[in-house]
Amino acid sequence: EVQLVESGGGLVQPGGSLRLSCAASGFTFSIYSMNWVRQAPGRGLEWVSYISSSSSIIYYADSVKGRFTISRDNAQNSLYLQMNSLRDEDTAVYYCARDSGGYSLDFWGQGTLVTVSS
Amino acid sequence: SYELTQSPSVSVSPGQTASITCSGHKLRHQYVCWYQQKPGQSPVLVIYQNNKRPSGIPERFSGSNSGNTATLTISGTQAMDEADYYCQAWDSSSERVFGGGTKLTVL
Repeated sequence: EVQLVESGGGLVQPGGSLRLSCAASGFTFSIYSMNWVRQAPGRGLEWVSYISSSSSIIYYADSVKGRFTISRDNAQNSLYLQMNSLRDEDTAVYYCARDSGGYSLDFWGQGTLVTVSS
Repeated sequence: SYELTQSPSVSVSPGQTASITCSGHKLRHQYVCWYQQKPGQSPVLVIYQNNKRPSGIPERFSGSNSGNTATLTISGTQAMDEADYYCQAWDSSSERVFGGGTKLTVL
């Protein structure tokens, strides 16, 4: 069974940093691209970042470019999102999601809540 | 930046057909997928590559993509289908793009 479990969310002050993790199991993590998607309270889904299976290709949404860094450790079956210079508008549930290879996201984690507030 | 447009809400009676649309000027050249999200839950992929259903998704869910509009159709809508639905495609450089979401009410 495919499982994606996010962790690392919490309350952080504006300008602060946080590192999210996503532990993958039930599939061969090293051959799949992965994504981070977020959802602000009461709002829709917003794609955040993409990383290819070998980490050779990485994309970011304009809203986080230069502040967030996606990475992965295939030996540890883990995906990460380093978030720096956090702003109020980064408050959201952050989901990790597996990329099916056909431009869709076929499995999602349960999400981790990040709250940016003073 | 590229945008996908969805109607904010759609209502349907139980047993009837619900149609949820997604428009975007590049859609004629793209695969579209759809996600269902119930309150407090993570999104679930219900349609990929315009009209394919993942394993476990009921046959009453179908999709199409024509011109610049993609459509998610739910035939014989059930109360359990009440949820938010999001379309998704991609922009240049494979950046994923989501529509704003449509709240489906079954009443």
